[in-house]
Amino acid sequence: AQSVSQHNHHVILSEAASLELGCNYSYGGTVNLFWYVQYPGQHLQLLLKYFSGDPLVKGIKGFEAEFIKSKFSFNLRKPSVQWSDTAEYFCAVTEGSWGKFQFGAGTQVVVTP
Amino acid sequence: DAGVIQSPRHEVTEMGQEVTLRCKPISGHNSLFWYRQTMMRGLELLIYFNNNVPIDDSGMPEDRFSAKMPNASFSTLKIQPSEPRDSAVYFCASSLRGRANEQFFGPGTRLTVL
Repeated sequence: AQSVSQHNHHVILSEAASLELGCNYSYGGTVNLFWYVQYPGQHLQLLLKYFSGDPLVKGIKGFEAEFIKSKFSFNLRKPSVQWSDTAEYFCAVTEGSWGKFQFGAGTQVVVTP
Repeated sequence: DAGVIQSPRHEVTEMGQEVTLRCKPISGHNSLFWYRQTMMRGLELLIYFNNNVPIDDSGMPEDRFSAKMPNASFSTLKIQPSEPRDSAVYFCASSLRGRANEQFFGPGTRLTVL
C-alpha cells in the first residue's frame, strides 16, 4: 500500500531562517504530488503541485518543491520564512490520474518573530 | 465562485443524536471528498465520490457513518448515533476530474459531541 511520510512533525524556527520539509512516498509508478498549507483555524489551501516536467516547482508565497524520483521525495523549501508562514503543511500523493490519494500526517511549523 | 460551501460551521450535539453535515462543491467539479481532522489522527479521507457515485468509502469509520450525493451540487455526511469520539473538524473538498487534480477545501464543520 502506498504511504506518504513527513519526517518532521513539529518545526520551530525564527523569521528569516530557511525552511525545508521532507516528504517521501512509497509508490513506484507515476505520481502526482502536492503540498497544501493550513493556516490556524482555516481550511487547506494548495501551495504547489507537480504532475510532470520540470522537477523544481514554484508555488505561492515564495515556496518551492523539488521532485527527486530516485529518492521518492518531494521536499518543500522556502529560503526565508516569515511569521505569517506559521501553519501546518501537508504533503499529498496520487498514484497516476485515478489512483489512491493520500495525505501525509502534516508538519506543524511555528515561526517566531 | 463562492468556493466549497459547508454547513453548519459549528455543531454541538449530545451523544446518541443524529448529525448531518452538508456540502456544496464548486460548480462544475465532478469529484467530492469528505475528510475528518483530529489532533490524534490527523487528516483522514472518509469517502470519495466521482460523478455522484461513491468510489472509495474505505475510510468511513463504521456503520454509524453514511454519505450521500444525490446530485452534482450537494452532498451530506450523516452520523447516527453520534459519539464523543466523533468530535472533529469535517472538511469537504471538490476537484475537477478525480483525485489527481487539486482539491479545493471548504471551511469545515467543527463537530462537538458531548
